[in-house]
Amino acid sequence: DAGVTQSPTHLIKTRGQQVTLRCSPKSGHDTVSWYQQALGQGPQFIFQYYEEEERQRGNFPDRFSGHQFPNYSSELNVNALLLGDSALYLCASSRGQGTYEQYFGPGTRLTVT
Amino acid sequence: GEDVEQSLFLSVREGDSSVINCTYTDSSSTYLYWYKQEPGAGLQLLTYIFSNMDMKQDQRLTVLLNKKDKHLSLRIADTQTGDSAIYFCAETTYSSASKIIFGSGTRLSIRP
Repeated sequence: DAGVTQSPTHLIKTRGQQVTLRCSPKSGHDTVSWYQQALGQGPQFIFQYYEEEERQRGNFPDRFSGHQFPNYSSELNVNALLLGDSALYLCASSRGQGTYEQYFGPGTRLTVT
Repeated sequence: GEDVEQSLFLSVREGDSSVINCTYTDSSSTYLYWYKQEPGAGLQLLTYIFSNMDMKQDQRLTVLLNKKDKHLSLRIADTQTGDSAIYFCAETTYSSASKIIFGSGTRLSIRP
């Protein structure tokens, strides 16, 4: 039973560029949430996708956008990258919207130079 | 408001019990969680407790919830070197819905 997978593992981008991160949920899960974890901090909620729509959003600017596909996988896009966007980006999946059990992937480490 | 606080570090001798503490501010919490993060890895869901429970035990892990004081603790019995990690306390609330609110994490160090 595959868990949550994310790609790529690591990524280095230049300030001002755009980046796309990908996530495949755990088998049987249909909801994907994205979190940003800065160094030495706890994860911060970015947004959640369910039935291919953004259902809930945290305090992140519009530069952060996402998408969910019919197979429940998801993408996180960040435009106009800033140095402060350097972080570990975590994807979590769950079964159904609003469920309390969320399982996390290994994350994508983004470095912006 | 939504805030979860934890102490930053804890050092425990191998074989002893570890107790990691957490306080939260939102009285409308629904679920409270403990996640474990090893170096370079994602988050592993260790255990969670519904807000109307006082205690939950799962093998070496015991979670205690004092809702009056908004205090959550995780006790790890017979701590082993493999327990070295950062432990995050987290909650969901009625207003946050399925958004999980995390503390900053407690780094658990095991000494021989």
